[in-house]
Amino acid sequence: AQSVTQLDSQVPVFEEAPVELRCNYSSSVSVYLFWYVQYPNQGLQLLLKYLSGSTLVKGINGFEAEFNKSQTSFHLRKPSVHISDTAEYFCAVSATGGYNKLIFGAGTRLAVHP
Amino acid sequence: GAVVSQHPSWVICKSGTSVKIECRSLDFQATTMFWYRQFPKQSLMLMATSNEGSKATYEQGVEKDKFLINHASLTLSTLTVTSAHPEDSSFYICSASTAGASTDTQYFGPGTRLTVL
Repeated sequence: AQSVTQLDSQVPVFEEAPVELRCNYSSSVSVYLFWYVQYPNQGLQLLLKYLSGSTLVKGINGFEAEFNKSQTSFHLRKPSVHISDTAEYFCAVSATGGYNKLIFGAGTRLAVHP
Repeated sequence: GAVVSQHPSWVICKSGTSVKIECRSLDFQATTMFWYRQFPKQSLMLMATSNEGSKATYEQGVEKDKFLINHASLTLSTLTVTSAHPEDSSFYICSASTAGASTDTQYFGPGTRLTVL
């Protein structure tokens, strides 16, 4: 079984500052890793995903994440945030075999202040 | 591309009634659809997985007789909450993918907010 821990429930940050949202996972098998963003009263939008290959993954809206197998982490970063980045961010994992059942973390609320 | 819609976007019903929520893949064929439930300020919890033409697979603790899932075509899945009660009030989100392989991305619908009075 897999599990995901998002270490921060809320992250306040000023506009144009860098941000890192932390995600750690636990799994006895190989996993794929995902970051999704959810705006208020909306569904989820995929930001980026790690399947294999380069451990640094670039996604939409200027976000990137780095897969660290030894630390079982997949932290999300953005060098300069905008007010419009205010949203809920979810880290998720799925096992590499079988169908793509996603296990989500509890989410991190990113609040960008002017 | 890869748009998933849900209808209705919100619904209010009386306790004891049944509510049907539709999930459609608008521009692709979805061999697998997923239904999630999200409580306020919490994460998404997978309720069930459905493959077109076969019975849904429910997660542990989800009542299959209460949450009826039908995946009759490659573009439509429905979730029916039967005899709804206030504790069923939640945000229900569906997602769809094109195949069963883990590498395939799930495309999420905008969600349906259910309020049971």
